Amino acid sequence: GAVVSQHPSWVICKSGTSVKIECRSLDFQATTMFWYRQFPKQSLMLMATSNEGSKATYEQGVEKDKFLINHASLTLSTLTVTSAHPEDSSFYICSARGRYYEQYFGPGTRLTVT
Amino acid sequence: AQTVTQSQPEMSVQEAETVTLSCTYDTSESDYYLFWYKQPPSRQMILVIRQEAYKQQNATENRFSVNFQKAAKSFSLKISDSQLGDAAMYFCAYRNSGGSNYKLTFGKGTLLTVNP
Repeated sequence: GAVVSQHPSWVICKSGTSVKIECRSLDFQATTMFWYRQFPKQSLMLMATSNEGSKATYEQGVEKDKFLINHASLTLSTLTVTSAHPEDSSFYICSARGRYYEQYFGPGTRLTVT
Repeated sequence: AQTVTQSQPEMSVQEAETVTLSCTYDTSESDYYLFWYKQPPSRQMILVIRQEAYKQQNATENRFSVNFQKAAKSFSLKISDSQLGDAAMYFCAYRNSGGSNYKLTFGKGTLLTVNP
């Protein structure tokens, strides 16, 4: 139980385009999901907290207009990187908060912007 | 704000031996949770073990155990009988017991190498 999926697992896009990453809780409902960014050999950096049916809460320094988060249902949250640039290339990980407040992590999405 | 410090960027251990990874944290809260996560080369985050601060007994999960010293704000992970599959990045994490959305604060990680 408590499986979280992400799609796509790897995406390459051209500079200036937008890309959407999906995070799904497959066998449980998640009122809260989290989005992280991870650079090579570094720790996870929390970008934002996504609550179903309300606006996401962004961490300090994260551009909300650049990283659009939508949590329209209890099993799906999406992260859209708008007008992507090479510096947005990174590994993006989502997690979903379970019933007892545990966080279950998705397998991550590697974004490469050329 | 809470902080988590992992002072060992890299550690190595011989297969079948025991290794201890260090973690210290800073908080003004009295009730909280501590976690160790493993991130293998696949980059999938895997929960290894968790500890509730109100419990005095150290958590144990098979070959993994912790030494939780609340007064010292220390939370080390001991891996016994190390296996090649234990090679990974290990992150220590902190979470308040309540509050906004139960966010995790991660340390910078320790890269564990297991030598055959």
